[in-house]
Amino acid sequence: DSGVTQTPKHLITATGQRVTLRCSPRSGDLSVYWYQQSLDQGLQFLIQYYNGEERAKGNILERFSAQQFPDLHSELNLSSLELGDSALYFCASSESGASYNEQFFGPGTRLTVL
Amino acid sequence: LAKTTQPISMDSYEGQEVNITCSHNNIATNDYITWYQQFPSQGPRFIIQGYKTKVTNEVASLFIPADRKSSTLSLPRVSLSDTAVYYCLVGDPNNNDMRFGAGTRLTVKP
Repeated sequence: DSGVTQTPKHLITATGQRVTLRCSPRSGDLSVYWYQQSLDQGLQFLIQYYNGEERAKGNILERFSAQQFPDLHSELNLSSLELGDSALYFCASSESGASYNEQFFGPGTRLTVL
Repeated sequence: LAKTTQPISMDSYEGQEVNITCSHNNIATNDYITWYQQFPSQGPRFIIQGYKTKVTNEVASLFIPADRKSSTLSLPRVSLSDTAVYYCLVGDPNNNDMRFGAGTRLTVKP
């Protein structure tokens, strides 16, 4: 158990819909990272927040957005969902803002778009 | 951003030592080398990190030659439970541009 929690574990929705994925980092960690992993794309870095502010941006689509709240939990919002958005979404946390520091990954949310 | 190249897959047998090499020809002076392990449907897990020479912990060793253009993750006496994907990452502590590559799928056979 990494100490990072993600909810929900599974999510099934339809194209065009909007969903919110939630992540609670390990106690004391200030950084939260979001990753998308689909079968044919591998692990893709989406975005990082550090202590409430956006720190780094990866291959995140404009239809996706994220935020980190004062209690350091984070939410990833996915809108206008497409079939290709079906994937495992992982959240990770680390102590500091530097991504080279050890990242602790949550169990993931499996999103299925029908 | 230093790009990494790893073998797509490797096979081994229980009890053998496995060495997975990662190439990072454009590694920068400040870059560290980190390896993660990922089991199916689970998030990656940190294995080991190093800057130069050799680093060893309870699960693996990391060998980095003097030119740092490659690194080798060594797993001693693998078991079936070591079957996983192994990712090599190169990252600069002063920025956050560290990306996961395709990884190496290791299959350990009985």
